[in-house]
Amino acid sequence: DVKVTQSSRYLVKRTGEKVFLECVQDMDHENMFWYRQDPGLGLRLIYFSYDVKMKEKGDIPEGYSVSREKKERFSLILESASTNQTSMYLCASSLSSEYSYEQYFGPGTRLTVT
Amino acid sequence: AQSVSQHNHHVILSEAASLELGCNYSYGGTVNLFWYVQYPGQHLQLLLKYFSGDPLVKGIKGFEAEFIKSKFSFNLRKPSVQWSDTAEYFCAVNANTGRRALTFGSGTRLQVQP
Repeated sequence: DVKVTQSSRYLVKRTGEKVFLECVQDMDHENMFWYRQDPGLGLRLIYFSYDVKMKEKGDIPEGYSVSREKKERFSLILESASTNQTSMYLCASSLSSEYSYEQYFGPGTRLTVT
Repeated sequence: AQSVSQHNHHVILSEAASLELGCNYSYGGTVNLFWYVQYPGQHLQLLLKYFSGDPLVKGIKGFEAEFIKSKFSFNLRKPSVQWSDTAEYFCAVNANTGRRALTFGSGTRLQVQP
């Protein structure tokens, strides 16, 4: 079974803090993704990565950056946290096959910025 | 840009009632389609997926979905729901343009009353 783990289930940070969210997958997947999930808005793509040191902006990248130094690890960074970044953050991974875009999700990190 | 619409935001059913959740997407080319489910307190997991072939797709736990290309729809159905189906359901699409990310709908919260 594919396992995607996220470093924290719950996180509380103050406005202006730098925040790191970590994600690790154990199935050698090439692709990794960060989404945020908000009520009534579904999942919105922040950033994704096709390979180590590769990254691409998703639909809402403002205020975020990412790092992928190792294939299994994909980090989301909030450079200066703001209250409107309070949300559930989901990490996902997938294979690089054109026949399979199925994504496997982690449990999520609920971030509160006060 | 592709988009996904789920028109039912909150559905309340009694046990044994039939379920149909709507999903429409905006891309005119070849698509890969997914339904994900998020049970309370759990991570997103795949219910079913469509890539090609038979437009009627069967998934786990008795769910099925029908791809109707002319209507740009991929509605989720279940003949008889159970209390354990209470969850949030997300439709997602990949437009097969080489972008490996999924675009998600806003989700439908299903509440099944015993």
